[in-house]
Amino acid sequence: DQQVKQNSPSLSVQEGRISILNCDYTNSMFDYFLWYKKYPAEGPTFLISISSIKDKNEDGRFTVFLNKSAKHLSLHIVPSQPGDSAVYFCAASNAGKSTFGDGTTLTVKP
Amino acid sequence: EAGVAQSPRYKIIEKRQSVAFWCNPISGHATLYWYQQILGQGPKLLIQFQNNGVVDDSQLPKDRFSAERLKGVDSTLKIQPAKLEDSAVYLCASSVGTTFGSPLHFGNGTRLTVT
Repeated sequence: DQQVKQNSPSLSVQEGRISILNCDYTNSMFDYFLWYKKYPAEGPTFLISISSIKDKNEDGRFTVFLNKSAKHLSLHIVPSQPGDSAVYFCAASNAGKSTFGDGTTLTVKP
Repeated sequence: EAGVAQSPRYKIIEKRQSVAFWCNPISGHATLYWYQQILGQGPKLLIQFQNNGVVDDSQLPKDRFSAERLKGVDSTLKIQPAKLEDSAVYLCASSVGTTFGSPLHFGNGTRLTVT
């Protein structure tokens, strides 16, 4: 049973527009949610996180929203840039153990 | 600060052979993880160390996989004997701790191909 799901394998947006990446989870015990970005042939790098007691966290162009009742979170990138093209992984953490989704490949077209 | 170092970057072996991967975490990071990432999937936790003790190895196939973290710093992951389904990228990650959603810092991984 996959505890963290990213239902969209890919997303394509125009430069300057908003990118919205979605993630669903099933385990209510997760206390933190994190987004990682991965370029080819590199390891994932941390992007932004949110505590389960918050509903929004913002860092520059990146905002993460958490809806606990729906067990859903989303990452908004505004404005999107070609350099944002990468695979984005959603991860949910409990006691330091992170469970990852299968990723969404974002392509930002110039 | 220097990042997480992993070696080798690539390894090709035949099934039933053995292989070992090495990881040097970020200095001062107490927690070290090994993840397996199969093509098209997200990273899957194999084992988690806190200093040199194992915290979670519930997903480690212990009949063929073993891992150790010497002196709470470097770590090695070994597969013996390898199977075709072990073909994947093996990622090492470290974090300062396990509280308050400490983010993971990943190395660039070792891509293993078993033929």
